[in-house]
Amino acid sequence: AQKITQTQPGMFVQEKEAVTLDCTYDTSDQSYGLFWYKQPSSGEMIFLIYQGSYDEQNATEGRYSLNFQKARKSANLVISASQLGDSAMYFCAMSASGGSYIPTFGRGTSLIVHP
Amino acid sequence: DAGVTQSPTHLIKTRGQQVTLRCSPKSGHDTVSWYQQALGQGPQFIFQYYEEEERQRGNFPDRFSGHQFPNYSSELNVNALLLGDSALYLCASSSQRDRLNQPQHFGDGTRLSIL
Repeated sequence: AQKITQTQPGMFVQEKEAVTLDCTYDTSDQSYGLFWYKQPSSGEMIFLIYQGSYDEQNATEGRYSLNFQKARKSANLVISASQLGDSAMYFCAMSASGGSYIPTFGRGTSLIVHP
Repeated sequence: DAGVTQSPTHLIKTRGQQVTLRCSPKSGHDTVSWYQQALGQGPQFIFQYYEEEERQRGNFPDRFSGHQFPNYSSELNVNALLLGDSALYLCASSSQRDRLNQPQHFGDGTRLSIL
């Protein structure tokens, strides 16, 4: 069985500062993918970044980077230079063959960026 | 290139009624998944359609059923609506070939309220 844990219900960050959103996962599969999505109040789930279990380099996409620590089974999202528009819910998800590649989502972290 | 489109955006029903939600996948995608997202929760997988057949199903009762058409679009039907069915229903599309390392693309969702 796959499980995603996001332990931070809410996070606050000052505009232009960096913030780390935590995600730990559990799976018995050796091959899996980790995803982060952003969900604004409008409801749409916006894909941010992907990390494969065999990728040796941490994934980066613009201001987003994924701090992948395989031994710890963690996949934290780092947002650099936070902007007011980053205020949203953030979900970590995992896809693996053991789960028939159906993504399992965490409960999410609400991020609020202060001016 | 149109993304995932869902209709309607909002819907209000009463207990015991039936509802149909619709989804058109992103161009080039052949697989459609449906999720239920209750307030303050992450998306919960309902089922997935590929080649017009239900391929995977989450822990949802038979009141939830679906269909996929030859053009890959999909419908979600819910019968005998309960108050607990009130949620945001998200449709996600993907390519079966790239299901491990490519993200699902989500629509804006349908907000269903049961009175």
